[in-house]
Amino acid sequence: EAQVTQNPRYLITVTGKKLTVTCSQNMNHEYMSWYRQDPGLGLRQIYYSMNVEVTDKGDVPEGYKVSRKEKRNFPLILESPSPNQTSLYFCASSLRGTGRVLGYTFGSGTRLTVV
Amino acid sequence: KNEVEQSPQNLTAQEGEFITINCSYSVGISALHWLQQHPGGGIVSLFMLSSGKKKHGRLIATINIQEKHSSLHITASHPRDSAVYICAVCDMDSNYQLIWGAGTKLIIKP
Repeated sequence: EAQVTQNPRYLITVTGKKLTVTCSQNMNHEYMSWYRQDPGLGLRQIYYSMNVEVTDKGDVPEGYKVSRKEKRNFPLILESPSPNQTSLYFCASSLRGTGRVLGYTFGSGTRLTVV
Repeated sequence: KNEVEQSPQNLTAQEGEFITINCSYSVGISALHWLQQHPGGGIVSLFMLSSGKKKHGRLIATINIQEKHSSLHITASHPRDSAVYICAVCDMDSNYQLIWGAGTKLIIKP
């Protein structure tokens, strides 16, 4: 089944303790992206990747790192999480067309709480 | 002013009603997406449009490029259609980036 797998679904952690949220897709998609969703603010892009070893900042990259060593994986790393990073996180992937992204497949989301 | 505006923000309707959700945008786009987010949080891509109209089951999406406007219609609405519907546009100038609307929360009552 074609899908984007995100883990974990739920995570409660303490301030400053490094964590990684994993994202893996099995559709050979070039484009992958991380979003956070907060009440009243909608989806905001954190980082995206056009292809292996190509990553770029989105709208809210501060406090996050990503890597794209393989096409299928795009982990989100919080080196020193803070309470303002408490949010619902989504990973998404897509094929790239000419000048646009061709439809999105989203992961199930990760609800992160930093205390 | 937001580059992508959705209306209404909230919509409550009775089962069976015809539903329309609107999306207006101010940038040049290469495509427009409609997505659905269920109460559990999962997001599903419904349509990607660059012109005209698409239909999938009871869902219909239209786009008017000249007027920079798109609509999502739901015919014979059902309580399971209750969700947040999100419009996002692919900005021509920003190389695959999506600009997101704030979403429309739809509740269909039995």
